[in-house]
Amino acid sequence: AQSVAQPEDQVNVAEGNPLTVKCTYSVSGNPYLFWYVQYPNRGLQFLLKYITGDNLVKGSYGFEAEFNKSQTSFHLKKPSALVSDSALYFCAVSPPSGGYQKVTFGTGTKLQVIP
Amino acid sequence: GAGVSQSPRYKVTKRGQDVALRCDPISGHVSLYWYRQALGQGPEFLTYFNYEAQQDKSGLPNDRFSAERPEGSISTLTIQRTEQRDSAMYRCASSARAADTQYFGPGTRLTVL
Repeated sequence: AQSVAQPEDQVNVAEGNPLTVKCTYSVSGNPYLFWYVQYPNRGLQFLLKYITGDNLVKGSYGFEAEFNKSQTSFHLKKPSALVSDSALYFCAVSPPSGGYQKVTFGTGTKLQVIP
Repeated sequence: GAGVSQSPRYKVTKRGQDVALRCDPISGHVSLYWYRQALGQGPEFLTYFNYEAQQDKSGLPNDRFSAERPEGSISTLTIQRTEQRDSAMYRCASSARAADTQYFGPGTRLTVL
C-alpha cells in the first residue's frame, strides 16, 4: 500500500527567505506526485504535479518541487516566501496500480510565513 | 469556468438519520472522486467513478456508506444511520480524464449529534 509522510507539522519561515516543505513517499512502481494547498475555510487547490521527465517541477504562485527517486522524496520549495503563502500544504501520491486514480494524501504541513 | 460544487456546505444531523451529500463536477469531467477529511488530517480516499461506473469503493468505511453517479455527472454520497464518528469534511473532486489532475470542491461539513 502507498503512503506519504510529511515529517513537519509546521514550518516557520521569515518573509523573503526560501522555504522548503518536506515530503517522502512509499509506493510500488513509478507514481504521480502532487502538492495541494488549503487556505482557511477553502477547498484544496492544486499547486503542481510530477508525472515523468524533469525532476524539477514548476507550479502555481512561484512554487516548485524536486523529485528525488533514490530518496523517494518530493519536497516543495519557493525561493522567496510571502506572507500570503501561509496555509496548509498537502503532498499526495497516486501509484500506477489502479490507473493512477487512487490518491493518498499526507497529513499536511502548516506553513507560517512571518512578516 | 465553474468549479466543482458541493451541497449542502454544512449539514447537522442527529445520530441514526440518513444523509445525502451532493457533488456537481466540472462540466465534462469524466472522473469523480469522494474523500473524507478529519480535522488535522489529509483527505482520505473513499471511492471514485469514471463516467457512471464506480471503479473503486475500497475506501468506503462500511456498508452504511454508498455512492452513485447514475448519469455520469452529478454524484451523491449517502450515509445511512449516521454515527458521531461520521462527523468530518466530505470532499469531492473531479478530473477531465482518468488520472488527470483532480480539482476539489469546497466540501460539505457533516456534524452528527
